[in-house]
Amino acid sequence: LAKTTQPISMDSYEGQEVNITCSHNNIATNDYITWYQQFPSQGPRFIIQGYKTKVTNEVASLFIPADRKSSTLSLPRVSLSDTAVYYCLVGVGNAGNMLTFGGGTRLMVKP
Amino acid sequence: GAVVSQHPSRVICKSGTSVKIECRSLDFQATTMFWYRQFPKQSLMLMATSNEGSKATYEQGVEKDKFLINHASLTLSTLTVTSAHPEDSSFYICSALVIPGGAFFGQGTRLTVV
Repeated sequence: LAKTTQPISMDSYEGQEVNITCSHNNIATNDYITWYQQFPSQGPRFIIQGYKTKVTNEVASLFIPADRKSSTLSLPRVSLSDTAVYYCLVGVGNAGNMLTFGGGTRLMVKP
Repeated sequence: GAVVSQHPSRVICKSGTSVKIECRSLDFQATTMFWYRQFPKQSLMLMATSNEGSKATYEQGVEKDKFLINHASLTLSTLTVTSAHPEDSSFYICSALVIPGGAFFGQGTRLTVV
């Protein structure tokens, strides 16, 4: 299983762009990279998923370099409500792959 | 995205009793579901993988006789905490796998054993 490494915490201010990088050096060929957001006492919420290059949706962008050993979640113009823990996971590409959570990144958005 | 519904969201039970938590995939069929527990300020810890129609696969250190998992249909998995004790108090979360697409999580269940 690919292990992930993320910064433990990050601080930002409203309106700024936030980039959270995740390292996954032993990602497998069939693994996808998925990012989740979790608020206290709630289940993780799917943000974005990608395999390579760049993926963008209405809430975030995901940048994946050619070697796929890392990925960067980009949140444009964060607001106070984006304060949460963000997890990067790898390994959902195949049926039966377990989803092992790393420590996540605790993002604090300040006014 | 796919919707996973978990019930109840919060439960308080007496020590020694059993509690059942339900996890349903509302708009898709889930062959594989996962159960996690999460302590305050910590990450999610995988407890077991639940496969429809077969026995669950438990992670090392998780007691299969204490945490009973049943996945009898493609839309429902249940976790029963048997003979609950205060140390079992935690936040329990289920997820269902959608391929392709990823895993979608329930809202979580806050279990308090008194």
